[in-house]
Amino acid sequence: DGGITQSPKYLFRKEGQNVTLSCEQNLNHDAMYWYRQDPGQGLRLIYYSQIVNDFQKGDIAEGYSVSREKKESFPLTVTSAQKNPTAFYLCATNSGPLTGELFFGEGSRLTVL
Amino acid sequence: GQQVMQIPQYQHVQEGEDFTTYCNSSTTLSNIQWYKQRPGGHPVFLIQLVKSGEVKKQKRLTFQFGEAKKNSSLHITATQTTDVGTYFCAVYSGGGADGLTFGKGTHLIIQP
Repeated sequence: DGGITQSPKYLFRKEGQNVTLSCEQNLNHDAMYWYRQDPGQGLRLIYYSQIVNDFQKGDIAEGYSVSREKKESFPLTVTSAQKNPTAFYLCATNSGPLTGELFFGEGSRLTVL
Repeated sequence: GQQVMQIPQYQHVQEGEDFTTYCNSSTTLSNIQWYKQRPGGHPVFLIQLVKSGEVKKQKRLTFQFGEAKKNSSLHITATQTTDVGTYFCAVYSGGGADGLTFGKGTHLIIQP
């Protein structure tokens, strides 16, 4: 089945630990995005990448890091510097800026204890 | 980045009643998109509006883009339990390269 695969779906971590969320796509899309969603809230952009080896900060990048070494992969690391990491994290892709819809993965729900 | 205000935040309706959510911007938008997120799920694209005054229909859903391209609405006629979820509008910020900015969404709750 093609599309976007996020893993893990659920993750529990202790405070102070770094966590890496995986996002893999086989849609051959250039652009990839990470959004954060808190209960009852909209989606807020963390980081985005329009091309391999390049990425930009979104609105709430503090405490997060990313890499884009391959077109298919855009992992997100939630570092210990992120003050409120418990949230639902969504990875998305599209074929480029201003080019229509975003395709979303099923999300990763991170709970920090 | 671009800001969009979405209202209402929550809407309770009886099954069979109509539902409308509104998205407003203080600046002119190049286009606007609508997404639906089922409880526990991920957002799914519904439609994109580009032209001033545009109206598009998908079965019981009607989408409108304002004449000034500063507001948009999604109307559902005769709601069904399958319509439950959160409806988001989204717009491209700045030059468009920096991703979509989402409204906070309208949560539709349907009572059978």
